[in-house]
Amino acid sequence: AQSVSQHNHHVILSEAASLELGCNYSYGGTVNLFWYVQYPGQHLQLLLKYFSGDPLVKGIKGFEAEFIKSKFSFNLRKPSVQWSDTAEYFCAVIAGSSASKIIFGSGTRLSIRP
Amino acid sequence: GAVVSQHPSRVICKSGTSVKIECRSLDFQATTMFWYRQFPKKSLMLMATSNEGSKATYEQGVEKDKFLINHASLTLSTLTVTSAHPEDSSFYICTPDRVGTDTQYFGPGTRLTVL
Repeated sequence: AQSVSQHNHHVILSEAASLELGCNYSYGGTVNLFWYVQYPGQHLQLLLKYFSGDPLVKGIKGFEAEFIKSKFSFNLRKPSVQWSDTAEYFCAVIAGSSASKIIFGSGTRLSIRP
Repeated sequence: GAVVSQHPSRVICKSGTSVKIECRSLDFQATTMFWYRQFPKKSLMLMATSNEGSKATYEQGVEKDKFLINHASLTLSTLTVTSAHPEDSSFYICTPDRVGTDTQYFGPGTRLTVL
């Protein structure tokens, strides 16, 4: 079965530090990849997505992610985090060109020290 | 504005009662709706896929008799938690199938607390 792994459960950074959150998936075929953010008390919001084309995807709020097919990875990055980035981050995948179920990773809690 | 709505947003009930959660797609027709649950500080777990006019498909380990799903129209899917118990307390989220588009809208969620 398809799965998504996020190995960082909780990341604590200071403001202005650089961020990289890992995401690996297990599926050998076509995938659509997503990063979602959930701010405290709010519902999921889409940060960015990869469907095809340029493997370096830029999203909202200065986030970007790179799809590396050979590594089955889709890591999320931000060069300089802000206190307002404190949230839960979820990597997700739709496996297969005709599938539509989104499978989520376990999430990474990001805490930013002001 | 909101594209997917859920009602109620929050519900507290006694153990043994049933609770119905509605999910509506406001701006488009949703042939298929996905239902997720999210435990505190945990990820979203896909529970089932509801299809308009037919039976829902449940993920492994999800009790179909406990979590009744009805998808009576192209804009409304309902999840009924029957004979709720405290371990059913969770955050339930719906999202319509948007295959073929690059946008996935999630409902705002329903927080269920079973006393």
